[in-house]
This record gives sequence, structure tokens and C-alpha cells, in this order.
Amino acid sequence: SQTIHQWPATLVQPVGSPLSLECTVEGTSNPNLYWYRQAAGRGLQLLFYSVGIGQISSEVPQNLSASRPQDRQFILSSKKLLLSDSGFYLCAWSALDGGETDTQYFGPGTRLTVL
Amino acid sequence: LAKTTQPISMDSYEGQEVNITCSHNNIATNDYITWYQQFPSQGPRFIIQGYKTKVTNEVASLFIPADRKSSTLSLPRVSLSDTAVYYCLVGDRYSSASKIIFGSGTRLSIRP
Repeated sequence: SQTIHQWPATLVQPVGSPLSLECTVEGTSNPNLYWYRQAAGRGLQLLFYSVGIGQISSEVPQNLSASRPQDRQFILSSKKLLLSDSGFYLCAWSALDGGETDTQYFGPGTRLTVL
Repeated sequence: LAKTTQPISMDSYEGQEVNITCSHNNIATNDYITWYQQFPSQGPRFIIQGYKTKVTNEVASLFIPADRKSSTLSLPRVSLSDTAVYYCLVGDRYSSASKIIFGSGTRLSIRP
């Protein structure tokens, strides 16, 4: 069966510090990968998605970047965090195979607080 | 992209059937409808997905009328553990990378 991991689970960082969040998927090959951010009490905002190694699409201009160095690894980064980067970061994967629909499966999330 | 509209919140009681309706007036031919459930501090969890008519699984039923401009998620005999946010999403079946948009969802509160 497929599993998705995210770490760290929680993170408190000062403004201006760098960020690296990691997401890995097991039990599937060539997944679509996604990074979302969720502010308190709000819906999910799609930040990045990737259909393959080195292929990243950005949905929202921001202080963040994403990379996919391996097939099942997705990394979210920032060189200098802003207060507005605080939130709940979720990684998700999906698989398209012929007529299969693009159901997304989410990781446990990382709670980021920027002080 | 088809936009969805759903109630911000709903309240119900244990043992009742709960129906959450979602409007998607601009749904396209290739679009399918998916519902997710999210508990606090967790990622959303897939509940059910459909294209037309009725779909049922062990968790819920999804009713989609012929014009597909709305859909209704039906939760039979809810319990306290069904308290969560429910998202209705509409997306392109054949898209190689999802452009599905999560709105604010419906916050469902179940009381004893």
C-alpha cells in the first residue's frame, strides 16, 4: 500500500531564517506531487505541483520554492521566511493511470510558525 | 476551472442523516466531483467521487442530478466523530496534473 510521510511535524522558525520541508511517498512510482498551505480556519491553497523529477509548476507567486530531486521526494524551501509564511503545510500525491481520476492522498502535514 | 459553492457551516445531531449540497454551475463535460473530509491538524481524506447519478460507498453517498450543476453528499446516521470540514471539489478527469481547487469547505458540527 502507498504511504506518504512529511517532516518535521511542527516547526518554529524566526523571520528571515531558511526553510526546508520534506515529503516522501512510498509504494507508488511516478506520482503527481503537490504542496498546499492552509491558514487557520481556511481552505487549502495549492502552492506547487510536480508531474515528474525536476518538473515543478508554481501556482502562486511567493517567498517559497519547490524541488523534486527524486521520483518520490518533494521538498518545499525558502531562503528567508516571512511572518505570512506561517501555516499548515500539506503534501499530497496522486496517480493517473488511464481512466483513473486524480484523487489526492494527503500527508500528516507540518505546522510552521514564523516568529 | 469550475468554482464550487457550499454552506460555510452546518449543525446536526448524532444518529441523523446529514446532506451537504455543493453548487458547481460551470462544471465542464470532463469534470468529476470529489468530496474530502478534514479533521483539525490533519490532511484531507478522500470520501467519495462521482461523475453522474448516484455513487455509494461504505462511508457516504453522492447524488448528482442530470444537469450536474450541483451535488449532495449524504452521511447516514452521523456520529460525533463526523465533526469535520467537508470539501467539494470539481476537476478535470483527464488532467495530467490536478488543477482542483479546495474552497473553504463546510464545517459540520455534530452534537450529542
